[in-house]
Amino acid sequence: AIQLTQSPSSLSASVGDRVTITCRASQGINSELVWYRQKPGKSPELLIYDASTLESGVPLRFSGSGSGTDFTLTISSLQPEDFATFYCQHFKSYPLTFGGGSKVEIK
Amino acid sequence: EVQLVESGGGLVQPGGSLRLSCEASGFTLIKYWMSWVRQAPGEGLEWVANINPDGSEKFYVDSVKGRFTISRDNAKNSLYLQLNSLRADDTAVYYCTRVGRWLHFDYWGQGALVTVSS
Repeated sequence: AIQLTQSPSSLSASVGDRVTITCRASQGINSELVWYRQKPGKSPELLIYDASTLESGVPLRFSGSGSGTDFTLTISSLQPEDFATFYCQHFKSYPLTFGGGSKVEIK
Repeated sequence: EVQLVESGGGLVQPGGSLRLSCEASGFTLIKYWMSWVRQAPGEGLEWVANINPDGSEKFYVDSVKGRFTISRDNAKNSLYLQLNSLRADDTAVYYCTRVGRWLHFDYWGQGALVTVSS
Protein backbone atom coordinates (compact mmCIF):
# COMPACT_ATOMS: atom_id res chain seq x y z
CA ALA A 1 0.00 0.00 0.00
CA ILE A 2 1.12 3.54 -0.73
CA GLN A 3 1.94 5.42 2.47
CA LEU A 4 1.47 9.17 2.82
CA THR A 5 3.52 11.07 5.39
CA GLN A 6 2.37 14.55 6.34
CA SER A 7 4.47 17.20 8.03
CA PRO A 8 4.24 18.87 10.35
CA SER A 9 1.78 16.79 12.38
CA SER A 10 0.82 19.97 14.19
CA LEU A 11 1.65 23.64 14.06
CA SER A 12 0.69 26.88 15.77
CA ALA A 13 -0.09 29.93 13.69
CA SER A 14 -1.93 33.24 13.81
CA VAL A 15 -4.75 34.64 11.71
CA GLY A 16 -3.22 36.09 8.55
CA ASP A 17 -0.18 33.81 8.56
CA ARG A 18 0.96 31.89 5.48
CA VAL A 19 0.91 28.16 6.25
CA THR A 20 2.46 25.30 4.29
CA ILE A 21 1.78 21.60 4.86
CA THR A 22 3.61 18.86 3.00
CA CYS A 23 2.61 15.32 2.03
CA ARG A 24 5.17 12.77 0.87
CA ALA A 25 4.17 9.54 -0.87
CA SER A 26 6.10 6.29 -0.47
CA GLN A 27 6.09 5.89 -4.25
CA GLY A 28 5.27 8.05 -7.25
CA ILE A 29 1.59 8.91 -7.63
CA ASN A 30 1.74 11.43 -10.49
CA SER A 31 -0.70 14.18 -9.45
CA GLU A 32 -3.23 11.77 -7.97
CA LEU A 33 -3.56 13.54 -4.64
CA VAL A 34 -6.37 15.25 -2.77
CA TRP A 35 -6.51 17.59 0.24
CA TYR A 36 -9.30 17.85 2.84
CA ARG A 37 -9.99 20.10 5.80
CA GLN A 38 -11.74 18.76 8.91
CA LYS A 39 -12.99 21.34 11.40
CA PRO A 40 -13.37 20.14 15.02
CA GLY A 41 -16.41 17.91 15.43
CA LYS A 42 -17.32 18.12 11.73
CA SER A 43 -17.05 15.91 8.66
CA PRO A 44 -14.09 16.41 6.32
CA GLU A 45 -14.56 18.69 3.33
CA LEU A 46 -12.81 18.55 -0.02
CA LEU A 47 -10.41 21.39 -0.79
CA ILE A 48 -8.20 20.35 -3.69
CA TYR A 49 -8.09 17.39 -6.08
CA ASP A 50 -5.64 16.25 -8.72
CA ALA A 51 -2.92 17.89 -6.57
CA SER A 52 -3.69 21.47 -7.61
CA THR A 53 -7.31 21.86 -8.76
CA LEU A 54 -9.42 23.89 -6.36
CA GLU A 55 -12.83 22.37 -5.65
CA SER A 56 -15.74 24.65 -6.57
CA GLY A 57 -16.57 27.07 -3.78
CA VAL A 58 -13.26 26.68 -1.96
CA PRO A 59 -11.60 30.02 -1.11
CA LEU A 60 -8.68 31.14 -3.26
CA ARG A 61 -6.37 31.35 -0.25
CA PHE A 62 -5.94 27.58 -0.64
CA SER A 63 -3.54 26.21 -3.25
CA GLY A 64 -1.91 22.88 -3.92
CA SER A 65 1.19 21.88 -5.82
CA GLY A 66 3.46 18.94 -6.49
CA SER A 67 3.68 15.72 -8.44
CA GLY A 68 5.40 12.38 -8.10
CA THR A 69 6.12 11.94 -4.39
CA ASP A 70 6.15 15.45 -2.91
CA PHE A 71 3.10 17.67 -2.49
CA THR A 72 2.26 20.91 -0.74
CA LEU A 73 -0.90 22.57 0.56
CA THR A 74 -0.53 26.31 1.09
CA ILE A 75 -2.93 28.64 2.89
CA SER A 76 -1.94 32.17 1.90
CA SER A 77 -3.66 33.96 4.77
CA LEU A 78 -4.94 31.81 7.62
CA GLN A 79 -8.55 32.48 8.64
CA PRO A 80 -10.33 31.54 11.89
CA GLU A 81 -12.16 28.67 10.17
CA ASP A 82 -8.81 27.16 9.12
CA PHE A 83 -7.94 26.12 12.64
CA ALA A 84 -8.58 22.52 11.80
CA THR A 85 -6.89 19.30 10.75
CA PHE A 86 -5.82 18.84 7.13
CA TYR A 87 -5.45 15.48 5.41
CA CYS A 88 -3.98 14.38 2.11
CA GLN A 89 -5.25 11.28 0.26
CA HIS A 90 -3.98 9.52 -2.86
CA PHE A 91 -6.07 7.87 -5.55
CA LYS A 92 -3.29 6.16 -7.49
CA SER A 93 -4.45 2.63 -6.66
CA TYR A 94 -6.29 0.57 -4.06
CA PRO A 95 -6.12 0.68 -1.13
CA LEU A 96 -6.84 4.39 -1.01
CA THR A 97 -4.92 5.87 1.91
CA PHE A 98 -4.77 9.12 3.84
CA GLY A 99 -1.91 10.94 5.47
CA GLY A 100 -1.86 11.08 9.25
CA GLY A 101 -3.15 14.65 9.37
CA SER A 102 -1.74 18.08 10.15
CA LYS A 103 -3.45 19.98 12.95
CA VAL A 104 -3.35 23.78 12.74
CA GLU A 105 -3.77 25.42 16.13
CA ILE A 106 -4.11 29.01 17.24
CA LYS A 107 -0.89 30.61 18.43
CA GLU B 1 -28.15 20.24 -2.53
CA VAL B 2 -26.28 16.99 -2.08
CA GLN B 3 -27.09 15.30 1.23
CA LEU B 4 -25.87 12.03 2.71
CA VAL B 5 -27.51 10.89 5.94
CA GLU B 6 -26.16 7.87 7.81
CA SER B 7 -28.09 5.77 10.29
CA GLY B 8 -27.73 2.48 12.12
CA GLY B 9 -24.77 3.18 14.36
CA GLY B 10 -24.67 2.11 17.99
CA LEU B 11 -23.09 -0.06 20.67
CA VAL B 12 -22.37 -3.68 19.78
CA GLN B 13 -20.47 -6.47 21.53
CA PRO B 14 -17.27 -7.91 20.07
CA GLY B 15 -18.17 -10.52 17.48
CA GLY B 16 -21.51 -8.88 16.81
CA SER B 17 -23.01 -7.35 13.68
CA LEU B 18 -24.46 -4.05 12.59
CA ARG B 19 -25.81 -2.58 9.37
CA LEU B 20 -25.21 1.03 8.47
CA SER B 21 -27.43 2.82 5.98
CA CYS B 22 -26.89 6.02 4.05
CA GLU B 23 -29.73 7.87 2.37
CA ALA B 24 -28.61 10.00 -0.56
CA SER B 25 -30.44 12.98 -2.01
CA GLY B 26 -29.78 15.95 -4.27
CA PHE B 27 -28.05 13.93 -7.01
CA THR B 28 -28.61 10.88 -9.19
CA LEU B 29 -27.12 8.05 -7.14
CA ILE B 30 -26.81 5.60 -10.04
CA LYS B 31 -24.26 7.86 -11.73
CA TYR B 32 -21.72 7.68 -8.93
CA TRP B 33 -19.32 5.38 -7.15
CA MET B 34 -19.91 5.54 -3.41
CA SER B 35 -17.70 4.83 -0.44
CA TRP B 36 -17.40 4.39 3.32
CA VAL B 37 -14.59 6.06 5.25
CA ARG B 38 -14.06 5.70 9.00
CA GLN B 39 -12.35 7.60 11.76
CA ALA B 40 -11.47 6.05 15.12
CA PRO B 41 -11.84 8.39 18.13
CA GLY B 42 -9.07 10.98 18.08
CA GLU B 43 -7.45 9.37 15.05
CA GLY B 44 -7.12 10.00 11.33
CA LEU B 45 -9.19 8.92 8.37
CA GLU B 46 -9.26 5.40 6.92
CA TRP B 47 -10.89 4.37 3.66
CA VAL B 48 -13.03 1.25 4.16
CA ALA B 49 -14.81 0.31 0.92
CA ASN B 50 -15.93 1.49 -2.52
CA ILE B 51 -18.75 0.32 -4.77
CA ASN B 52 -19.36 1.14 -8.43
CA PRO B 53 -22.65 2.57 -9.74
CA ASP B 54 -24.41 -0.73 -10.49
CA GLY B 55 -22.94 -2.59 -7.52
CA SER B 56 -20.94 -5.08 -9.58
CA GLU B 57 -17.49 -3.91 -8.41
CA LYS B 58 -16.46 -3.61 -4.78
CA PHE B 59 -13.13 -2.83 -3.14
CA TYR B 60 -12.17 -3.12 0.53
CA VAL B 61 -9.29 -2.27 2.80
CA ASP B 62 -7.55 -5.48 3.90
CA SER B 63 -8.54 -5.13 7.56
CA VAL B 64 -12.25 -5.53 6.79
CA LYS B 65 -12.18 -8.04 3.91
CA GLY B 66 -14.40 -11.01 4.66
CA ARG B 67 -16.12 -9.18 7.53
CA PHE B 68 -17.71 -6.08 5.97
CA THR B 69 -19.93 -5.90 2.87
CA ILE B 70 -20.77 -2.74 0.95
CA SER B 71 -23.98 -2.69 -1.09
CA ARG B 72 -26.44 -0.27 -2.60
CA ASP B 73 -30.05 0.03 -3.71
CA ASN B 74 -30.24 2.77 -6.33
CA ALA B 75 -34.03 2.57 -6.45
CA LYS B 76 -34.09 3.48 -2.76
CA ASN B 77 -31.28 6.05 -3.09
CA SER B 78 -29.39 4.15 -0.44
CA LEU B 79 -25.93 2.82 0.37
CA TYR B 80 -25.25 0.19 3.01
CA LEU B 81 -22.39 -1.29 5.00
CA GLN B 82 -22.90 -4.65 6.72
CA LEU B 83 -20.40 -5.04 9.56
CA ASN B 84 -19.88 -8.59 10.88
CA SER B 85 -17.42 -10.13 13.33
CA LEU B 86 -16.85 -6.74 14.86
CA ARG B 87 -13.73 -6.04 16.89
CA ALA B 88 -12.81 -3.29 19.32
CA ASP B 89 -10.58 -1.67 16.70
CA ASP B 90 -13.60 -1.22 14.41
CA THR B 91 -14.87 1.43 16.84
CA ALA B 92 -15.12 4.59 14.76
CA VAL B 93 -17.34 7.17 13.13
CA TYR B 94 -18.31 5.77 9.75
CA TYR B 95 -18.83 8.33 6.99
CA CYS B 96 -20.82 7.74 3.83
CA THR B 97 -19.14 9.57 0.94
CA ARG B 98 -19.78 10.23 -2.71
CA VAL B 99 -16.83 9.43 -4.92
CA GLY B 100 -15.81 12.14 -7.36
CA ARG B 101 -14.33 11.72 -10.80
CA TRP B 102 -10.81 11.15 -9.49
CA LEU B 103 -11.56 8.58 -6.77
CA HIS B 104 -11.70 11.33 -4.19
CA PHE B 105 -14.54 11.99 -1.75
CA ASP B 106 -16.44 15.11 -2.77
CA TYR B 107 -19.39 14.91 -0.35
CA TRP B 108 -19.51 13.46 3.16
CA GLY B 109 -22.33 12.56 5.50
CA GLN B 110 -22.37 13.60 9.14
CA GLY B 111 -21.16 10.17 10.24
CA ALA B 112 -22.50 7.26 12.30
CA LEU B 113 -20.71 6.17 15.47
CA VAL B 114 -20.09 2.46 15.90
CA THR B 115 -18.79 1.41 19.30
CA VAL B 116 -17.62 -2.17 19.79
CA SER B 117 -17.37 -2.99 23.48
CA SER B 118 -18.51 -5.56 26.01
